[in-house]
Amino acid sequence: QSALTQPASVSGSPGQSITISCTGTSSDIGDYNYVSWYQQHPGKAPKVMIYEVTNRPSGVSNRFSGSKSGNTASLTISGLQAEDEADYYCSSYTSSVTYVFGTGTKVTVL
Amino acid sequence: QVQLQESGPGLVKPSQTLSLTCTVSGGSISSGSYYWSWIRQPAGKGLEWIGRIYTSGSTNYNPSLKSRVTISEDTSKNQFSLKLSSVIAADTAMYYCATMYYGSGRLDYWGQGTLVTVSS
Repeated sequence: QSALTQPASVSGSPGQSITISCTGTSSDIGDYNYVSWYQQHPGKAPKVMIYEVTNRPSGVSNRFSGSKSGNTASLTISGLQAEDEADYYCSSYTSSVTYVFGTGTKVTVL
Repeated sequence: QVQLQESGPGLVKPSQTLSLTCTVSGGSISSGSYYWSWIRQPAGKGLEWIGRIYTSGSTNYNPSLKSRVTISEDTSKNQFSLKLSSVIAADTAMYYCATMYYGSGRLDYWGQGTLVTVSS
């Protein structure tokens, strides 16, 4: 299975909004609503930020939101803060009853 | 709150079998609430889903690793394990165990990770 495609890097100034895309196929993102997003700071384990496309776990800031259209899912971070600087990965369930991660996006706060 | 801790050798020789154990506290692997999962990450690279096991013993594996991977559980010790056979240098990575909430796909709780190096 091929990794989902994400931009290598996205940047924004504090207070701005950024959007990270995650492109898959009709065998994963396009056919299932089991898309999750993870934030990973250097040297740390990933942390789930969004699950089932749009849901935020308890304790995650409402500045993080998710959406999906066709074979592409997106994560939007609004009111960008310095602490949001990290790597972000999407993940999706697949028709093979497996999961696949995205290639990862490095978010830089300018 | 569930806590996970990976353990196992940090160095494995090529062609041998990598064996890791994840010890679970704060929850039972027999509870049915989670799939118990393994993920790895080579240094400086992205995450790779390895596979998962459910309390029934059913497993799902990444197709690219399926021929070499076995995930099992030991309910008496509240642990689950990963075995990866015939390892090569490309299997060098940080290995994480994690809980996948049943019916959701989200990886809720993660261990801190354990670095495994494949080298002679």
